[in-house]
Amino acid sequence: AQTVTQSQPEMSVQEAETVTLSCTYDTSESDYYLFWYKQPPSRQMILVIRQEAYKQQNATENRFSVNFQKAAKSFSLKISDSQLGDAAMYFCASRLNAGNNRKLIWGLGTSLAVNP
Amino acid sequence: DVKVTQSSRYLVKRTGEKVFLECVQDMDHENMFWYRQDPGLGLRLIYFSYDVKMKEKGDIPEGYSVSREKKERFSLILESASTNQTSMYLCASSFWGVSYEQYFGPGTRLTVT
Repeated sequence: AQTVTQSQPEMSVQEAETVTLSCTYDTSESDYYLFWYKQPPSRQMILVIRQEAYKQQNATENRFSVNFQKAAKSFSLKISDSQLGDAAMYFCASRLNAGNNRKLIWGLGTSLAVNP
Repeated sequence: DVKVTQSSRYLVKRTGEKVFLECVQDMDHENMFWYRQDPGLGLRLIYFSYDVKMKEKGDIPEGYSVSREKKERFSLILESASTNQTSMYLCASSFWGVSYEQYFGPGTRLTVT
């Protein structure tokens, strides 16, 4: 069965600094998608970034980038120039691209605090 | 932008009551999902639907049922609410596509007393 593990329940970062959230996953398949979602306190869950397993290049969205290590089954999220608004719960998720699979497998989340 | 709305942000119900949680999406998405979110347990899938009147059980369907009579609307039903169903309920939708990424509603915090 596919699993997603986020080994850091809580992290903190100083404003303007860089932080990396880790995520590892376990699958025997080769075709899948990986996602990072952000859930600010009392606000809606939103997609931060996605990565297709077949793409070698790491995805980037403004200050958010990933380090995708397919062989190591690692998918970490780097947040550069951290801002107070980055404080949130971050979830890593994966989806096997097989058949009509629509389900995401979720990690338990990492709570990120940003200190001024 | 995709908009997913949920009927209530906060809801308080009594044990044994029948509870309806409504979710509406405005982007013609085929797939809709209901999750519950509890501290330390992440997101757990209750049910999902891939078409009108079609549904599939998720990981924790016991005590819940769903209804999808129209494409844009997906309802979660607690037939007889119990205190262990006190939780945050999140609705999400996704479209047929390559990545199937999900778009979420704001959540309903349900308290059963």
